[in-house]
Amino acid sequence: EVQLLESGGGLVQPGGSLRLSCAASGFNFRTYAMSWVRQAPGKGLEWVSGIIGSGGSTNLADSVKGRFTISRDNSKNTLFLQMNSLRVEDTAVYYCAKGGIGVADNFDYWGQGTLVTVSS
Amino acid sequence: IQMTQSPSSVSASVGEKVIITCRASLDVSTWLGWYQQKPGKAPKLLIYSASSLQSGVPSRFSGSGSGTHFTLAISSLQPEDSAVYYCQQANGFPLTFGGGTKVEVK
Repeated sequence: EVQLLESGGGLVQPGGSLRLSCAASGFNFRTYAMSWVRQAPGKGLEWVSGIIGSGGSTNLADSVKGRFTISRDNSKNTLFLQMNSLRVEDTAVYYCAKGGIGVADNFDYWGQGTLVTVSS
Repeated sequence: IQMTQSPSSVSASVGEKVIITCRASLDVSTWLGWYQQKPGKAPKLLIYSASSLQSGVPSRFSGSGSGTHFTLAISSLQPEDSAVYYCQQANGFPLTFGGGTKVEVK
């Protein structure tokens, strides 16, 4: 059974940093691209960042470029999102999502999400 | 690539057919998926590659289209289909979602 379990969310002041983690199980983690998708309160879905299976290529939404970094540790089946210079508008539930074998794909499994609140 | 969904909301009775439209600002071929999201839950993939039914999804859900125009159809609406539905293009980065369509079951 595929499972994705996010952690690391919480309350942080504007300008602060957080590191999200996503522990994956039930599939060959290193084979699949992974992404972070967020959802602000009462709003729609926004793709944030993606990384291919090997970790050799990453992509970021313009809204987080220069502030967020995605990475993965295939030896520990874990995906990360380092978030720096956080802004109030980064407040959202952050989901970890499993992609396909290709670089870009739809997401067939999602975690339960972790809430990030940026507020003073 | 911008994804535009219509309508933004729809209300229909049990057993009725519901159609949701998604338009892409550029050609995305068939790199299009549909998701269902219920309150407080993560999205669930219903359709991938524009028309392929994800495993375990009821056959009353179907997808069609290619290029810039796509549709999601629910052939016989059930009470448990009350949710928000999103389309998502996977043709290129940044990956983008439509704004969502709220489906209410009367």
